[in-house]
Amino acid sequence: GIQVEQSPPDLILQEGANSTLRCNFSDSVNNLQWFHQNPWGQLINLFYIPSGTKQNGRLSATTVATERYSLLYISSSQTTDSGVYFCAVEPGSSNTGKLIFGQGTTLQVKP
Amino acid sequence: ETGVTQTPRHLVMGMTNKKSLKCEQHLGHNAMYWYKQSAKKPLELMFVYSLEERVENNSVPSRFSPECPNSSHLFLHLHTLQPEDSALYLCASSQDLGGSTDTQYFGPGTRLTVL
Repeated sequence: GIQVEQSPPDLILQEGANSTLRCNFSDSVNNLQWFHQNPWGQLINLFYIPSGTKQNGRLSATTVATERYSLLYISSSQTTDSGVYFCAVEPGSSNTGKLIFGQGTTLQVKP
Repeated sequence: ETGVTQTPRHLVMGMTNKKSLKCEQHLGHNAMYWYKQSAKKPLELMFVYSLEERVENNSVPSRFSPECPNSSHLFLHLHTLQPEDSALYLCASSQDLGGSTDTQYFGPGTRLTVL
């Protein structure tokens, strides 16, 4: 089955710093989403981005489907950005909503 | 987010108990999902329902039994669980299956501990 790898696994930033999180996937996809899980376990959908670039405030994401990777950019990080960031994909051959999640990047933003 | 709610938020049960997890979505979506999140492991999809019909059963043991009485409610019935079933159980919903309508919105989860 499709493999989803995220890097780095852990990241510590000082408040105000910028960061880039990466998601590599091993096969074609028809759905790619980025999520943020806060320390209380709540998963928040950040982007639906199977291709192209999107921006939402301090966050932006780019997916290059032909090269099978996606990047999540966080600018001017804040302590509230702490948590785990997940990339999830649906294989191109599937149309059942079956998302395959990566292991996540755990981000800690220090004041 | 309050679009997807889950109850209870925390549950402790013995291996011989029977309990149920409840999920309700207030978004008018047609698809609902159960995921399991164990420590140090990625989220694992368990079940997918679309218009109250199960479309995905991801090799889940029979001690987990889903029920979808309507498009707004999803249950996960639990019986004779094992300690390794302790995890965070997350419910999600999406407008439909496929394409941008498959953007999934998650509930807060039920933290389950099996003694």
